[in-house]
Amino acid sequence: QVQLQESGPGLVKPSQTLSLTCTVSGGSIGGGAYYWTWIRQHPGKGLEWIGNIYKSGGTYYNPSLKSRVTISVDTSKNQFSLKLSFVTVADTAVYYCARVALAWLFIDSWGQGTLVTVSS
Amino acid sequence: DIVMTQTPLSLSVTPGQPASISCKSSQSLLHSDGKTYLSWYLQKPGQSPQLLIYEISNRFSGVPNKFSGSGSGTDFTLKISRVEAEDVAVYYCMQSMQLPWTFGQGTKVEIK
Repeated sequence: QVQLQESGPGLVKPSQTLSLTCTVSGGSIGGGAYYWTWIRQHPGKGLEWIGNIYKSGGTYYNPSLKSRVTISVDTSKNQFSLKLSFVTVADTAVYYCARVALAWLFIDSWGQGTLVTVSS
Repeated sequence: DIVMTQTPLSLSVTPGQPASISCKSSQSLLHSDGKTYLSWYLQKPGQSPQLLIYEISNRFSGVPNKFSGSGSGTDFTLKISRVEAEDVAVYYCMQSMQLPWTFGQGTKVEIK
């Protein structure tokens, strides 16, 4: 059974870059037909899709964040990463990495989530 | 963007009674490939979301049959046949028919 684990700083200063990594275990990013995705949840709020990456490196981003987001993949380390630049307090959220089954476009596995607070 | 609107936003249910959540999309979720990319997730307190239903009505592996999904086009419904304490959660619908993928606001289900 695939497992995903987010890692990265829990506190980021305004205007800096948020960087998170998702480590996948129990399955290979390079194998199978999946997107690998980032989703965030503002405190006490709903879910917001950030973007997807395929094993080849092809990406899809939410236009609301597109100018600030970069998602990358390292199949040799079985990891994918999120960078969000020029953060503000509005980017404070729990960030989830997850796996999307390509054939049905549903999210079948989620990481536990990591809270990132933007504060000076 | 496709707007997903859930109703109600909260629901208090007597144990053993049914519950129903509506999800309406601002445009049809029927893709040109013939599939309707509407899925349902539940998020228990303090946990990550987990998949319940995909393509309107297909239960994901291990999901009990008390959960069912129905609908078409722009109107969808999640039903819980008999609510139990373990079903306390926030339920979300999600569309993946068109980028950006979007979620409903969530419906909080509580026990009376």
